[in-house]
Amino acid sequence: NAGVTQTPKFQVLKTGQSMTLQCAQDMNHNSMYWYRQDPGMGLRLIYYSASEGTTDKGEVPNGYNVSRLNKREFSLRLESAAPSQTSVYFCASSGRWVSTDTQYFGPGTRLTVL
Amino acid sequence: QQPVQSPQAVILREGEDAVINCSSSKALYSVHWYRQKHGEAPVFLMILLKGGEQKGHEKISASFNEKKQQSSLYLTASQLSYSGTYFCGTGLNTGTASKLTFGTGTRLQVTL
Repeated sequence: NAGVTQTPKFQVLKTGQSMTLQCAQDMNHNSMYWYRQDPGMGLRLIYYSASEGTTDKGEVPNGYNVSRLNKREFSLRLESAAPSQTSVYFCASSGRWVSTDTQYFGPGTRLTVL
Repeated sequence: QQPVQSPQAVILREGEDAVINCSSSKALYSVHWYRQKHGEAPVFLMILLKGGEQKGHEKISASFNEKKQQSSLYLTASQLSYSGTYFCGTGLNTGTASKLTFGTGTRLQVTL
């Protein structure tokens, strides 16, 4: 039982390049999330998927797109990376209603955009 | 709007106690607490629900004042392993909320 896995662990991009961050969970969770973490800002929600087939914007969605590929996988895409997107990205998953369920986090992807 | 955490940082000697507070401007259904060590992912500590139910580690204690939309995390007899950044996450006043909003964190350092 691996929990939540993310790939890659580290990535360096040049401004304007694109990339996709991958996330998978093996806990049969309905809900999945993408957060970014910047110093002093806490965890800010980019996008989330409350169930397979649905996605919704969080607090900071600009510059990102997501795909809920199936119940296990939720990817985050940067179409044209900008230095402001340098951050640590965490994927998380939880049961159907996160108000009452534990949220489990992946190990994170450290992204630098030059 | 993010919940407000206080203090922003605290330094303790091993064995001392600390209280970390989380305050929201919105009516809440639940408050979640997580701890993150440097370079690692946040790890679940506790959920406090409207109505008084709690889920989490037995050695962690916390309170949730529903009327004031505030929660406090109590760390007693601190150990070196308690060091890290503590985040509260709030779920709005419905049991079917699909997302949490996290505070900016409280950095705790425990020294010998």
